[in-house]
Amino acid sequence: SQQGEEDPQALSIQEGENATMNCSYKTSINNLQWYRQNSGRGLVHLILIRSNEREKHSGRLRVTLDTSKKSSSLLITASRAADTASYFCATDGGGSNYKLTFGKGTLLTVNP
Amino acid sequence: NAGVMQNPRHLVRRRGQEARLRCSPMKGHSHVYWYRQLPEEGLKFMVYLQKENIIDESGMPKERFSAEFPKEGPSILRIQQVVRGDSAAYFCASSRGTHYEQYFGPGTRLTVT
Repeated sequence: SQQGEEDPQALSIQEGENATMNCSYKTSINNLQWYRQNSGRGLVHLILIRSNEREKHSGRLRVTLDTSKKSSSLLITASRAADTASYFCATDGGGSNYKLTFGKGTLLTVNP
Repeated sequence: NAGVMQNPRHLVRRRGQEARLRCSPMKGHSHVYWYRQLPEEGLKFMVYLQKENIIDESGMPKERFSAEFPKEGPSILRIQQVVRGDSAAYFCASSRGTHYEQYFGPGTRLTVT
């Protein structure tokens, strides 16, 4: 089954606005990680949230996790044009699992 | 502290040739993972290695693909007799343990002509 389904598939906002992306998954997890990928480039690790955590902050990023709903959200506040990228969530499948399963990502476009 | 290094960044091979992709993990990391990203798709797990050991290769095609992580030197993903369908971006990630952050390299973009 597909883990880490991001929603929406594409999001276009103006600079200064907030952007919220959602991720749903199907099985238990140990942790959930969010990554950013600029077109044609590698993945940049943004944040890891463990299954016993509900919220985590890093700079302009805020991640929430609801294990009862098997969902997570990534909020980027005061967006900048440089935030334009694809954003992926990745889950590890819980237990002794370690391999990350990625969704197809949300393409965020921040217009100057 | 250098990040995960991959080389080459771009690799062009003709059908039937061999492709060899290299990955040097972050300093202090002994866990290496390889993922493949096909056009317009998310990343798919291929193989997980620790020094001198393949832990899980359940995502690797059964034929033509192999991986190693020797005691000295980088991890190598080898694709023999490449076909057009092997064209993709191959990413390596490393971590300091199985339930820690996985940090990715810049990827190797393989094009098979």
